[in-house]
Amino acid sequence: EADIYQTPRYLVIGTGKKITLECSQTMGHDKMYWYQQDPGMELHLIHYSYGVNSTEKGDLSSESTVSRIRTEHFPLTLESARPSHTSQYLCASKSQGLHNEQFFGPGTRLTVL
Amino acid sequence: GQQVMQIPQYQHVQEGEDFTTYCNSSTTLSNIQWYKQRPGGHPVFLIQLVKSGEVKKQKRLTFQFGEAKKNSSLHITATQTTDVGTYFCAGPAGGTSYGKLTFGQGTILTVHP
Repeated sequence: EADIYQTPRYLVIGTGKKITLECSQTMGHDKMYWYQQDPGMELHLIHYSYGVNSTEKGDLSSESTVSRIRTEHFPLTLESARPSHTSQYLCASKSQGLHNEQFFGPGTRLTVL
Repeated sequence: GQQVMQIPQYQHVQEGEDFTTYCNSSTTLSNIQWYKQRPGGHPVFLIQLVKSGEVKKQKRLTFQFGEAKKNSSLHITATQTTDVGTYFCAGPAGGTSYGKLTFGQGTILTVHP
C-alpha cells in the first residue's frame, strides 16, 4: 500500500465556511494531483504540482486553490464552500521516471449543506 | 483535447461469467494504465501496457493494448464477487503532461452471486 494520506476522511459543513483538505505523502514524490469525483463517475483533475512552489490548474475548473510549500504536503483550500462543492476529493502522487503509475489517497468525502 | 472513452458504462454479470471493458483514445498513447476502484474506495493501479499489441495477464485478468496504441481492453474470466468495482483506463495527457493522466469514464461492474 502506498503511503499517501488524506484528512479528514469525511467532512460535513455549512455554506460559506472555509475548509482545507490535507494530503501528505511520505514517498518523496515530486508530482502530486487533486481529483474531484462524484459517486460512480469519472475522475476530473482539478490541480496538480510538479514540485515545490509549482502548482497548475487541471482540466476541470475549480474554485479551490492549492499550495506546495513542502514536497510531502499538498493541501487544497476552499475559501467559501457551497453545496455545488459536494463531492469526493482524491489526492494522488507519482514518482519521477517512466512509470506513470499514480498512487491515490483514501479520499475526502465533502458535503456542503 | 485528448479523449478517453470507455464502454460499457455498467455491466451486471452472474458470478462465474466473463466480463470485458473496452477503452478507446482519440489519440495514440505512449502507454495505457488500468485502475480498479472498489465501492467507497480509491483507485488502485492494476497494470501499465506500453508496447503495441501487448497482452498481460494477472490471474483471471487479461489486459490488451491495441496494435495502433489507441485502444485497450480488460477481460476478467469467471468473475467473482471480489471483482466488484469500477474499472478505469487512463492514458498520459497530451502535451507537457507532468505525469498527468486522462481517465476514461469507467465501467461499473456488479457481480451477482
